[in-house]
Amino acid sequence: AQRVTQPEKLLSVFKGAPVELKCNYSYSGSPELFWYVQYSRQRLQLLLRHISRESIKGFTADLNKGETSFHLKKPFAQEEDSAMYYCALGGNNAGNMLTFGGGTRLMVKP
Amino acid sequence: GAVVSQHPSWVICKSGTSVKIECRSLDFQATTMFWYRQFPKQSLMLMATSNEGSKATYEQGVEKDKFLINHASLTLSTLTVTSAHPEDSSFYICSARLSGNYNQPQHFGDGTRLSIL
Repeated sequence: AQRVTQPEKLLSVFKGAPVELKCNYSYSGSPELFWYVQYSRQRLQLLLRHISRESIKGFTADLNKGETSFHLKKPFAQEEDSAMYYCALGGNNAGNMLTFGGGTRLMVKP
Repeated sequence: GAVVSQHPSWVICKSGTSVKIECRSLDFQATTMFWYRQFPKQSLMLMATSNEGSKATYEQGVEKDKFLINHASLTLSTLTVTSAHPEDSSFYICSARLSGNYNQPQHFGDGTRLSIL
């Protein structure tokens, strides 16, 4: 069974501080991990995915299969980063369905 | 590119009414679309996977007869909540994936808020 855990429902930091949103997963197959972001009153948007190994808006995430983690990091948080962040797990299944974590609300204070 | 449109954005109706929600991929073809449900302050829960031209695959605990899914074309999937009751009030979100490539990410619609009185 697929399972995604985001242990923090709320993460509050000051502008300029480093940010790490935690995500752990459980999956027996070959995982594909995503981070989605939902800004206030907007739709869910793909932020990044592990196979791309790219940095979007200063965020990075590295898949650690040994620790079954895909933590999202940013060295210097900005106020516009305030949003809901969801970690999602897909796999090499034909339906390519996603399992979402509970989400973490990031609040960046001025 | 890869825009998913959901309609309506908000529905308020009486108990017992059937409500249809549309999900359209505007600029791409989507063999597979997904329907999620999100309760307040909770995460998205997959309800069903909608496949063009075939029956939807429902997740455990989701009533097929209650939530009718039709995916008649490569750009449109509909979710009909039949005889809706207050407990069906929720936020329903669809997503779509580009056809032909399982590595493509899902693109999400804005969601539909359903309020049953």
